[in-house]
Amino acid sequence: GAGVSQSPRYKVAKRGQDVALRCDPISGHVSLFWYQQALGQGPEFLTYFQNEAQLDKSGLPSDRFFAERPEGSVSTLKIQRTQQEDSAVYLCASSKKREDRGYGYTFGSGTRLTVV
Amino acid sequence: GNSVTQMEGPVTLSEEAFLTINCTYTATGYPSLFWYVQYPGEGLQLLLKATKADDKGSNKGFEATYRKETTSFHLEKGSVQVSDSAVYFCALWDNYGQNFVFGPGTRLSVLP
Repeated sequence: GAGVSQSPRYKVAKRGQDVALRCDPISGHVSLFWYQQALGQGPEFLTYFQNEAQLDKSGLPSDRFFAERPEGSVSTLKIQRTQQEDSAVYLCASSKKREDRGYGYTFGSGTRLTVV
Repeated sequence: GNSVTQMEGPVTLSEEAFLTINCTYTATGYPSLFWYVQYPGEGLQLLLKATKADDKGSNKGFEATYRKETTSFHLEKGSVQVSDSAVYFCALWDNYGQNFVFGPGTRLSVLP
């Protein structure tokens, strides 16, 4: 597609429920990031993939968060046993290559997760 | 660690007013600097960037100059329009961690 597509756009989960958020990057894009954007805050780094390899997961806030990109295209961010503090917009961004100075990234519209 | 600070909003202006949104950063080395804009219901869009000291990024009437001596990258526009209403994020690219570090965002509302 022309842009980075994320689904669902909105997700309401009961506390304790598991959720899966999907990111479809631009076709052929090698690099993929996940960011978490709490209400009224700037996005914060969660994890980074280069093709199917997860090269950096230092931003994942707990072991309840897990991300994968098994075939180097679509990525899924999974959150187990959701808590209220997980409520945020989850953004995905992709780039044609690993830009070493931040150029060329396209962001998706995000998934807004609300945990009740 | 690296960080970005920007002026708190919301900022409310009348159409055709002059806009300044302040941004300062703390970083090791010489990061690239960016302004991203987020319109309601949409993802982040790159507005402009600068890669080294004294570079001026510009786009759609917005501009910002990379000031190493003051570690700043203030966003300016001479005459805002209602369509500029959005949230603006200042960001740097962390050359060590290889990811973006964003400021908290500044919400701009432009009234007709």
